[in-house]
Amino acid sequence: QVHLVQSASELKKPGASVRVSCRASGYTFTSYSLFWIRQAPGQGLELMGWITTNTGHPTYAQAFTGRFVFSLDTSVSTAYLQISSLQAEDTAFYYCARLKITEFDSWGQGTLVTVSS
Amino acid sequence: QSALIQPPSASGSPGQSVTISCTATSSDVVGSDYVSWYQYHPGKAPKLMIYDVTRRPSGVPDRFSGSKSGNTASLTVSGLQAEDEADYFCMIYGGNNWVFGGGTKLTVL
Repeated sequence: QVHLVQSASELKKPGASVRVSCRASGYTFTSYSLFWIRQAPGQGLELMGWITTNTGHPTYAQAFTGRFVFSLDTSVSTAYLQISSLQAEDTAFYYCARLKITEFDSWGQGTLVTVSS
Repeated sequence: QSALIQPPSASGSPGQSVTISCTATSSDVVGSDYVSWYQYHPGKAPKLMIYDVTRRPSGVPDRFSGSKSGNTASLTVSGLQAEDEADYFCMIYGGNNWVFGGGTKLTVL
């Protein structure tokens, strides 16, 4: 059974960095791209981008260039989202999701990142 | 403003049917047949309920069905059960982009 398990919630100060992990199990990790999706408080879901797991190539949505980095450690079937120079506006739930064909057939449980001084 | 418009709320009594709409406003996704629906309980992983407009993944009850007419897709839940109370959001793939609806909170009265 496919599972995506994300790291625990984080509380960070403005200007700090955070790394969110997404550990996959139950399938061949490099066979499906992993996407990152953000939901800020009271807002809808936003696609941040994705990482092609067989090449490690990241693709970022326009609003998520510069401070956001997607990476992989295929040895432990884990994808990472790193956000640097955190701002209050980065406070949100961050989800990873597996793309089956055009739909996301498995999601992580979400990681709440709170940015507050 | 999401490119996919959903009503913020919907409700029905146990045993009734309820339909949630998802209207596309962006030219990228109008006309796409890659519509999927997800059930979301806060704090838990969203669950795929419908994909390719009408298809159900294994394990999803046949009380859940999808359809599309013009630029509006719909999710119908028949024979409502208490466990169906959740948020539901749509997603459409089109023009190499994935667009989400704003979500609908379904309340079982």
